[in-house]
Amino acid sequence: NAGVTQTPKFHILKTGQSMTLQCAQDMNHGYLSWYRQDPGMGLRRIHYSVAAGITDKGEVPDGYNVSRSNTEDFPLRLESAAPSQTSVYFCASPTDKGPFYNEQFFGPGTRLTVL
Amino acid sequence: AQSVTQPDIHITVSEGASLELRCNYSYGATPYLFWYVQSPGQGLQLLLKYFSGDTLVQGNKGFEAEFKRSQSSFNLRKPSVHWSDAAEYFCAVVLTSGTYKYIFGTGTRLKVLA
Repeated sequence: NAGVTQTPKFHILKTGQSMTLQCAQDMNHGYLSWYRQDPGMGLRRIHYSVAAGITDKGEVPDGYNVSRSNTEDFPLRLESAAPSQTSVYFCASPTDKGPFYNEQFFGPGTRLTVL
Repeated sequence: AQSVTQPDIHITVSEGASLELRCNYSYGATPYLFWYVQSPGQGLQLLLKYFSGDTLVQGNKGFEAEFKRSQSSFNLRKPSVHWSDAAEYFCAVVLTSGTYKYIFGTGTRLKVLA
């Protein structure tokens, strides 16, 4: 039982290139979120999904797209990367199948640099 | 607007000294409250949480936190810090009405002197 996994661990992009960050969970959870972490700003939620086929915008969704075709995977896509998207990205899911407001289990993160 | 404030960006303490990390929130009702810890290059891990009941909660690694409704605070404490506690600490709240919203503070980076 790996929990939440993310790939890649590191990546460098050029401005304008596209990229998909992968998130997978094997806990059969419905709820998944994407966050970005920037110095001095804490973590901010980008998009989230409560179940396969249902996604919604978080607090900083601009420049990102998500899809949820099954329970396990929740990829985050950058269609045309910008330097402002240089960040560390975390995928997270509640630790129990219970309330969606439960504490979250975080993946190991993806460090993305956009040149 | 709802917010979480961690007023100390950096804190340095000597090993064995006591520690208190401050967290204040702005919200009309009592939210669900969390403290997370992040070691370098790692994801966040839960230290403790408060949903209701006893306002003093015990967490992992000898940490505790006290919820004070009158001060809208949820400060994290440890009586004796160990060198391995050096990390970044995040306070977080989940708003309990309307759309699910999970808000993190900006973090406090703890340095421990030997």
